[in-house]
Amino acid sequence: GAVVSQHPSWVICKSGTSVKIECRSLDFQATTMFWYRQFPKQSLMLMATSNEGSKATYEQGVEKDKFLINHASLTLSTLTVTSAHPEDSSFYICSANIQGARGYTFGSGTRLTVV
Amino acid sequence: QKEVEQNSGPLSVPEGAIASLNCTYSDRGSQSFFWYRQYSGKSPELIMFIYSNGDKEDGRFTAQLNKASQYVSLLIRDSQPSDSATYLCAVNQYGQNFVFGPGTRLSVLP
Repeated sequence: GAVVSQHPSWVICKSGTSVKIECRSLDFQATTMFWYRQFPKQSLMLMATSNEGSKATYEQGVEKDKFLINHASLTLSTLTVTSAHPEDSSFYICSANIQGARGYTFGSGTRLTVV
Repeated sequence: QKEVEQNSGPLSVPEGAIASLNCTYSDRGSQSFFWYRQYSGKSPELIMFIYSNGDKEDGRFTAQLNKASQYVSLLIRDSQPSDSATYLCAVNQYGQNFVFGPGTRLSVLP
């Protein structure tokens, strides 16, 4: 089946530094990928839609200059959290829509802790 | 504002019982409906999807859809402790983003 590989699975960084999260589609091409954030005991919140070869579309309230998204190829999308702060600590998950609208497949998620 | 609502739970059922999870949605144009299971600290995994009114069965799971009532449910028969997780309902129209519900925490008691 379709697999989305996400790395790293967890990262701890110092406040003010930047962290890059990678999301790869392993056996299919994903022209669109989605980035979600999930705080403890809350549901998934869509942050942005990543489009191959063009600018990402950000949801209202998400700072595009803080959460940089690059989708340079059909199999790779990256999310960079710039100048991270403790309030950015969260579970970040990428996903891609499988052809035929059979739902999303999710990456394994990245637990970010900013200290 | 498109909304998907679920009872947050926790819903507690004894092992072997039927767990019933409910979801309502506001957008009448919604066309596809999904149930995901999420274990703590893990990503969601797809359990079932349903497009048409009625029931769809897959093993111990049955999804039920009633578009007139804007209601979709998931039944888990013979519940097991390993079914304890948060269940997310997701709704979308073709070509548009998914809208996720807040999830229902299910606890299956041995």
